[in-house]
Amino acid sequence: QKEVEQDPGPLSVPEGAIVSLNCTYSNSAFQYFMWYRQYSRKGPELLMYTYSSGNKEDGRFTAQVDKSSKYISLFIRDSQPSDSATYLCAMSSSNFGNEKLTFGTGTRLTIIP
Amino acid sequence: EPEVTQTPSHQVTQMGQEVILRCVPISNHLYFYWYRQILGQKVEFLVSFYNNEISEKSEIFDDQFSVERPDGSNFTLKIRSTKLEDSAMYFCASNPNSGTSGRLHTDTQYFGPGTRLTVL
Repeated sequence: QKEVEQDPGPLSVPEGAIVSLNCTYSNSAFQYFMWYRQYSRKGPELLMYTYSSGNKEDGRFTAQVDKSSKYISLFIRDSQPSDSATYLCAMSSSNFGNEKLTFGTGTRLTIIP
Repeated sequence: EPEVTQTPSHQVTQMGQEVILRCVPISNHLYFYWYRQILGQKVEFLVSFYNNEISEKSEIFDDQFSVERPDGSNFTLKIRSTKLEDSAMYFCASNPNSGTSGRLHTDTQYFGPGTRLTVL
């Protein structure tokens, strides 16, 4: 079983729709969860950062973590064409500086105008 | 807003040649990392670096790889004898982390734009 699993998509939705992106993981030591956005041939850009279970909201973005199910989600409300990108989930067992991030494969999202 | 920069954006080299990929982390950050992403695959951790030494390295980071912080601003990844399978995007990242952990610390890793390495 892969440590972090993410549906690679591609996922296409019309502008204005609510987008739901998900990852599952197997390592129960993971406590810190991140979502990165990556445009084509660019570096990952941090979108959301959460600790343990619960929700976090930032503008049109909401991150959810359910540690009991080992499942994390990113919701995008009122999706825009500029949201078209690959979304990567990443996680770590601590936020100590030397802790590596373990990434999912990324979900490629296209918002259709 | 401060950002991680990387040079060159694209490096083409012949198999067996040495390459050096360069990164300038965000200035007050303390931890530095290299990751790679083979085309179509996930981002993979290579190495973390703190206080002028390697903190952790992955199985990928074998003897052909080395990292260095030659001055107060640059952070480099050297691949001694490149192989075809080293072709990938290489990302540098940095983290302001003060060296402690815990739920109140929200420091995490900020990535550069990457260097595309093509080995022929």
